[in-house]
Amino acid sequence: GNSVTQMEGPVTLSEEAFLTINCTYTATGYPSLFWYVQYPGEGLQLLLKATKADDKGSNKGFEATYRKETTSFHLEKGSVQVSDSAVYFCALSDRGSQGNLIFGKGTKLSVKP
Amino acid sequence: DTAVSQTPKYLVTQMGNDKSIKCEQNLGHDTMYWYKQDSKKFLKIMFSYNNKELIINETVPNRFSPKSPDKAHLNLHINSLELGDSAVYFCASRNSGGNTGELFFGEGSRLTVL
Repeated sequence: GNSVTQMEGPVTLSEEAFLTINCTYTATGYPSLFWYVQYPGEGLQLLLKATKADDKGSNKGFEATYRKETTSFHLEKGSVQVSDSAVYFCALSDRGSQGNLIFGKGTKLSVKP
Repeated sequence: DTAVSQTPKYLVTQMGNDKSIKCEQNLGHDTMYWYKQDSKKFLKIMFSYNNKELIINETVPNRFSPKSPDKAHLNLHINSLELGDSAVYFCASRNSGGNTGELFFGEGSRLTVL
């Protein structure tokens, strides 16, 4: 079945550090891939997405590239800020899941000043 | 205007009680969901409705009963509440005709069962 595996947290970084959160997936067909972010006390919101191989999604300084050969969609940011502290979820959507999202377990990021 | 709104935001109740959480979306979407998020932030899909028809019903105790009076509303009723039901419940919606599967989430309803 379809699944998403992302690195376990928590991840603690200093401000301006480089961030990588790994995400790999298993899916039938060609899924769309997403990163969602959940700030404290809020619901999830879409951070970025990619719908086909080699696409790069980007938003707010975050980037992720859809790598079909390694079935990965790692999230990166060159210089994190305290305001990036949140839980990050990798997710996929494809026909095997009827277009519904399948989420990873989430990675909590804490950025210290 | 809030796109996906849930009420109440917080709910504290005793074991054995019955409670409901309501969700409304004004995005014109035809598919709505309930997710449960546990204390470790793990998100688990519970139910999904498309145009008022139940299309996903995961392994959830039958004490949980969703109701969709129209495609803009999806309510969740929980009977005989148990301690393990304590969690944050998220409503979400999407347009099944869209090609990306993006979900729009409400802010969550934190349920605490004492």
